[in-house]
Amino acid sequence: GAGVSQSPRYKVAKRGQDVALRCDPISGHVSLFWYQQALGQGPEFLTYFQNEAQLDKSGLPSDRFFAERPEGSVSTLKIQRTQQEDSAVYLCASSLVPRGLSGNTIYFGEGSWLTVV
Amino acid sequence: QQQVKQSPQSLIVQKGGISIINCAYENTAFDYFPWYQQFPGKGPALLIAIRPDVSEKKEGRFTISFNKSAKQFSLHIMDSQPGDSATYFCAASGPGRDDKIIFGKGTRLHILP
Repeated sequence: GAGVSQSPRYKVAKRGQDVALRCDPISGHVSLFWYQQALGQGPEFLTYFQNEAQLDKSGLPSDRFFAERPEGSVSTLKIQRTQQEDSAVYLCASSLVPRGLSGNTIYFGEGSWLTVV
Repeated sequence: QQQVKQSPQSLIVQKGGISIINCAYENTAFDYFPWYQQFPGKGPALLIAIRPDVSEKKEGRFTISFNKSAKQFSLHIMDSQPGDSATYFCAASGPGRDDKIIFGKGTRLHILP
């Protein structure tokens, strides 16, 4: 596709439920990022993949958060035993070149809006 | 520790006026300073970016001013239009271990018609 595609766009989960959020990056993009954006806040970094390798997961808030990108294209962010504080927009972004080249343009998807009730 | 501080939180400007949003950063290793524009329900989109070897960059109605010694940079939107109404985020990143993009908290800009 032309841009970064995320699904589902909206998800309501009951507290304690597991959720999986999907990201389909721009074709050929090496780098893939996940960000969390709470209401009224800026995006906060969660994790980074270079192809299939997860090189940085320093932003994942707890071990309930898990991300994968097994074939170096589509990525899934999984949140286990969701809690109310997990309610946020989860943004996926991709970039043509590897991170480490500061100044890469990264392209964001429209986000998956998660509400935990 | 908030590495990128942005102000104001919200801003109202008359159509045709100049919108100014300010940011300050802590980490002197940062070497890339982008501004993102976000409309409701959409992801952030790169608007304009600058590196610290220049003090100003202009693209159309959008200008970044950069003050390396003060560790501050700002976005100026000239001849502001209602279509510019959005949330604007300043951000910063650097080489090596600093190369994840760190965002400010955002400024909600509203241009009065």
